[in-house]
Amino acid sequence: EVQLVESGGGLVQPGGSLRLSCAASGFTFNDYTLHWVRQAPGKGLEWVSGVSWNSGTIGYADSVKGRFTISRDNAKNSLYLQMNSLRADDTALYYCAKNLWSSYYRSAMDVWGQGTTVTVSS
Amino acid sequence: EIVLTQSPGTLSLSPGERATLSCRASQSVTSSYLAWYQQKPGQAPRLLIYSASSRATGIPDRFSGSGSGTDFTLTISRLEPEDFAVYYCQQYGSSPILTFGPGTKVDIK
Repeated sequence: EVQLVESGGGLVQPGGSLRLSCAASGFTFNDYTLHWVRQAPGKGLEWVSGVSWNSGTIGYADSVKGRFTISRDNAKNSLYLQMNSLRADDTALYYCAKNLWSSYYRSAMDVWGQGTTVTVSS
Repeated sequence: EIVLTQSPGTLSLSPGERATLSCRASQSVTSSYLAWYQQKPGQAPRLLIYSASSRATGIPDRFSGSGSGTDFTLTISRLEPEDFAVYYCQQYGSSPILTFGPGTKVDIK
């Protein structure tokens, strides 16, 4: 079974840092682009960042550029999101999602985790 | 960055009725790289349609997608009780930046 499991969320003060992880199983991890997508309470989906299979293509939403860093460890089947200088409007449920198509950055997302919650508050 | 606009914001319909959801892009979406997702409360999004008109694995044929360029449509031919949810469009043509629309809520009339 293809599975994505996020972890690392929690309560952090404004200006603080947090590192999210996504553990993957059930597919050939190093063939696929992966993404982070977030959803603030009661709001819609917001794409945050994506990294291609070989880390050769990386993208960030303008709202997080310069503060968040995406990375992956293909040996550990894991995706990460390092979040620095956190703000109240970063409060959200953070999903990890896998591309439908292997070897392409541009693809829909066919498998999603259940998310990990980040709360930024003093 | 491509901005997606969805309409209507809320669609109130009865089971058995046809639902037509619109997604409009601020500029042409390359190769019709547009997807539709369904999300129910407390659940992760589920991929319904990719490449504007291709159904994802296991998606019933009452769901169909159409469109190209800047105008796209998701149609649910006959609403089932489990179809009442929020629907998002997403473009993935403008690498490396992807964007989602704000969503359309389909609720029971």
